[in-house]
Amino acid sequence: DVKVTQSSRYLVKRTGEKVFLECVQDMDHENMFWYRQDPGLGLRLIYFSYDVKMKEKGDIPEGYSVSREKKERFSLILESASTNQTSMYLCASSFDRKLAGVSYEQYFGPGTRLTVT
Amino acid sequence: GESVGLHLPTLSVQEGDNSIINCAYSNSASDYFIWYKQESGKGPQFIIDIRSNMDKRQGQRVTVLLNKTVKHLSLQIAATQPGDSAVYFCAENRNGGGSNYKLTFGKGTLLTVNP
Repeated sequence: DVKVTQSSRYLVKRTGEKVFLECVQDMDHENMFWYRQDPGLGLRLIYFSYDVKMKEKGDIPEGYSVSREKKERFSLILESASTNQTSMYLCASSFDRKLAGVSYEQYFGPGTRLTVT
Repeated sequence: GESVGLHLPTLSVQEGDNSIINCAYSNSASDYFIWYKQESGKGPQFIIDIRSNMDKRQGQRVTVLLNKTVKHLSLQIAATQPGDSAVYFCAENRNGGGSNYKLTFGKGTLLTVNP
């Protein structure tokens, strides 16, 4: 069964703290993604990675960085958490579209609800 | 620019009725579309997808229709059940270039099924 796991379901951090959100997938997917989800704004892409050590900015990368040292793991880092980063964070993974005969869907983890106080 | 939107932010139906959720997209280069369901407190779950070389695709109780002429996508749910209550998102993908990995999501429609 396809699995994307996230390290925490709920997290409370203080302003200025460094925050690490971890995501692991067991499907050997090339692509991994980090989104944040806010009411009325839908899913917004923060960063994505199409290979180990490769990353690209999404639509809202400011205040975030990422790390992909192994194919199965993609980390989102908030260097100095701020209250406007309080949100639901969703990780996803997918196969590369250049592969034939695979689904292009993104598989999502359960999400991490982060509160910054 | 790319955009994926929904005509109705909320939809309320009676149990047993059919539901139709609509989505408009503006990028004619998009060639893959997908519908997700998100229940409260959970991540989005795949429902059904369709490629641009098709007009219709059916799954279990769900059908996706694609009208490329007017750039419109719809999700039909037959015999809607209380367990179908959720937020539904459409998403599009454009092959080629630097964005072939990315899905662009609509903002979602909340479906409420009344018993």
